[in-house]
Amino acid sequence: DQQVKQNSPSLSVQEGRISILNCDYTNSMFDYFLWYKKYPAEGPTFLISISSIKDKNEDGRFTVFLNKSAKHLSLHIVPSQPGDSAVYFCAASEAGKSTFGDGTTLTVKP
Amino acid sequence: EAGVAQSPRYKIIEKRQSVAFWCNPISGHATLYWYQQILGQGPKLLIQFQNNGVVDDSQLPKDRFSAERLKGVDSTLKIQPAKLEDSAVYLCASLPTALSYNEQFFGPGTRLTVL
Repeated sequence: DQQVKQNSPSLSVQEGRISILNCDYTNSMFDYFLWYKKYPAEGPTFLISISSIKDKNEDGRFTVFLNKSAKHLSLHIVPSQPGDSAVYFCAASEAGKSTFGDGTTLTVKP
Repeated sequence: EAGVAQSPRYKIIEKRQSVAFWCNPISGHATLYWYQQILGQGPKLLIQFQNNGVVDDSQLPKDRFSAERLKGVDSTLKIQPAKLEDSAVYLCASLPTALSYNEQFFGPGTRLTVL
């Protein structure tokens, strides 16, 4: 029973265009959501987060949207850059304990 | 600020052997996590420490896995005996406190291959 799902294993976009990564969850007790970025042979690094009381959080080129009624969140990257090519993990947190999705591999083509 | 340190970075062992991983969290971080990440999957929590006490070890296969965090600083994770399905990257992460709105700081991981 996977509580956090990233249904697209991979995504390919052209440089300068928008990348949209999606994540669905089932546990309504999650109170905080995070996106991590992971390069090969490195640990995940924090990218952006959102509290369950908000529906949008923006940080530069990165915006996270939360739709609580649909139990869905998405990460928008605009404009996408080749350096954004990495694996992106969605994580949902309850009382400090995070559950991760299986990741989406983003490839940004020059 | 130094990041989370892990060693070794890579380890190859045969099944039924024992192995240990070490993690040194960011200085002052009270909460420490060990995750197992199997290829193609997301990190799965094995154990969470708050200082030197265990907060959650419900997903730790206790018949073969053990972990300790003596003195509430660095931590070791041990597998004894290893099985083929233990092949994975073992990630350590830390937090200042176990607050749900804090992002975790991850180490580079230890890639374990069990032959």
